[in-house]
Parts: sequence; C-alpha cells; structure tokens
Amino acid sequence: AQSVTQLDSQVPVFEEAPVELRCNYSSSVSVYLFWYVQYPNQGLQLLLKYLSGSTLVKGINGFEAEFNKSQTSFHLRKPSVHISDTAEYFCAVTAIKAAGNKLTFGGGTRVLVKP
Amino acid sequence: DSGVTQTPKHLITATGQRVTLRCSPRSGDLSVYWYQQSLDQGLQFLIQYYNGEERAKGNILERFSAQQFPDLHSELNLSSLELGDSALYFCASSTLAGSYNEQFFGPGTRLTVL
Repeated sequence: AQSVTQLDSQVPVFEEAPVELRCNYSSSVSVYLFWYVQYPNQGLQLLLKYLSGSTLVKGINGFEAEFNKSQTSFHLRKPSVHISDTAEYFCAVTAIKAAGNKLTFGGGTRVLVKP
Repeated sequence: DSGVTQTPKHLITATGQRVTLRCSPRSGDLSVYWYQQSLDQGLQFLIQYYNGEERAKGNILERFSAQQFPDLHSELNLSSLELGDSALYFCASSTLAGSYNEQFFGPGTRLTVL
C-alpha cells in the first residue's frame, strides 16, 4: 500500500515570489509520482510526472519537481508565481507493477497568491 | 477541457435514495476510473475499469457499484445514500490500464445528500 503526505495544507505567497510545496510518500514497492492542480470548481489537471530518468522534472506553467528516492520526497517548485497559480495542488503516486492504475493522493496544499 | 464528460454536474437528493452518475471517457480511451473527493477523506480512488472489465478496486462501499458499457461509458451507482456520501465524484480516463498511463479527469459531479 502507498501513502502520501503533503506537509503544508495552505501556503500563502506573494506574486512573483518563489513557492515550494512539499510531498513525501511511503511505499513498499516502486512508484510513479505525479503533481496535479485543481482550480476552483474544476477537475484535476496534470502538472508533471516522474516515471524514470532525470530526477528533475519540468512540467507545465513553469513548475518543476525533484524526485529524491532516499528521502522519498517529490517537492514541487515554481520560481515566480502568478495570481493565476492560486489553486489546490495534489501530489499522487501509483505502484509501477500493479495490475491497475490506482492513484493515491495526498491531502492537498492550497496555494493563495497575493498581489 | 480534458475531453472527459460527466453528468449531471450537480445532484441533490435525500438519504436512503439511489443515484446514478455517468461518465464518458476521452475518445479512444479504454480505461475509466472513479474517485471521491470529500472534506473528511480527501481524494480517494474507488474503482477502475478497462474495456468493460474491473481492473482495480479501492475502498468502495458495498452500497456503491459501477460498470463500463460496450461503448466505454461508465456509470457509478450509489444506493441507500447517507449524509456522509455528499462529495465531489470524479471520473478519469486513460488510453490503457497500466500505471504509466496519464489519467485525464472530468469536471466532476457534486452530490449533496440532505
């Protein structure tokens, strides 16, 4: 079984400042890792994913994340946020060799970008 | 727009009732997933279907059931509804069933049980 912990439930940040959202996971098997964003009253949209290869992953809208296997972390960063980045962000994992594709999500981090 | 459609957008019903949520996957996608998002439990995986067959199951209650039809659309049936079933229910779809396949999420159906 897998579990995901997002260490901050809310992160206020000023426009054009950097932001980091922390994600730690636990799993007895190897996993793929994802970050999703949920804008108000919308579904989830994939920001980026780590499947293999370089541990630094670049996604859409200027976001990037770094996979750290020894620390079982997958933190999300953006060097300069915009008002439009106000949303809830979810870290998720799925077991690599499972028969299905069950995503296990963290509790989410609400990002509020202030002008 | 992800290409995944869900109907209805909102549903208000009473305890003890039964409802059906519908999902149409993206064109060409064979796998469909259902997730529940609530304040108490967060985002939880319910069930996955691939080409009409159940592929993976999460903590889905016995009062809930789902199926995927030959045209690949899916329905989630919720019966004997309780107040705690109030939540946002998301459908997602992917091309195939394996874990490397990106899941595309629909806009969700908001269920309110009074």
